[in-house]
Amino acid sequence: GDSVTQMEGPVTLSEEAFLTINCTYTATGYPSLFWYVQYPGEGLQLLLKATKADDKGSNKGFEATYRKETTSFHLEKGSVQVSDSAVYFCALPHGGATNKLIFGTGTLLAVQP
Amino acid sequence: NAGVTQTPKFRILKIGQSMTLQCTQDMNHNYMYWYRQDPGMGLKLIYYSVGAGITDKGEVPNGYNVSRSTTEDFPLRLELAAPSQTSVYFCASSTTGGSRDEQFFGPGTRLTVL
Repeated sequence: GDSVTQMEGPVTLSEEAFLTINCTYTATGYPSLFWYVQYPGEGLQLLLKATKADDKGSNKGFEATYRKETTSFHLEKGSVQVSDSAVYFCALPHGGATNKLIFGTGTLLAVQP
Repeated sequence: NAGVTQTPKFRILKIGQSMTLQCTQDMNHNYMYWYRQDPGMGLKLIYYSVGAGITDKGEVPNGYNVSRSTTEDFPLRLELAAPSQTSVYFCASSTTGGSRDEQFFGPGTRLTVL
């Protein structure tokens, strides 16, 4: 069945470091792919998405490219800030016309000043 | 526009007690979802609804019930609380069931069953 695999955390970086969080997926066809972010004490919110192969989603300095050859959707940011400290979830929709989401386990990012 | 709101924020239950987690959205979304988030795990879908009066089971429905009498509200009912239901519960909504649609999440309810 469909699934999402994320790199385990926590990931601890210094401010201005480069960030990569790996995400690979297994799915039938070419589903949309999402990154959601959960800041401390809050619910999830959409960070970025890509709806077809080779699409690049971007937001707040984060980017992810939908690569069908490697079934991956890795999240990157060139220079992280303390305010980026959060849990990041990769997700894909499953279930026809109901948009049920399958989530990865989440990756905790801690950015130190 | 408050988005998705959930009450309560925190709750401690004793084994065997019952409670209802409330979820309300003011965006006129047809689709609503309940997820649970366990430590070190991703979110798992409990139940979902595609419109008022229509609900269906997700991946982990056992021990829960839902109803959807209005577009705005989607309460989650725990009838006989068990320690395995200790988790953080998130309600979400989306405009349609389209696979490109964003889901909007509430702030969550942290439930502990002792």
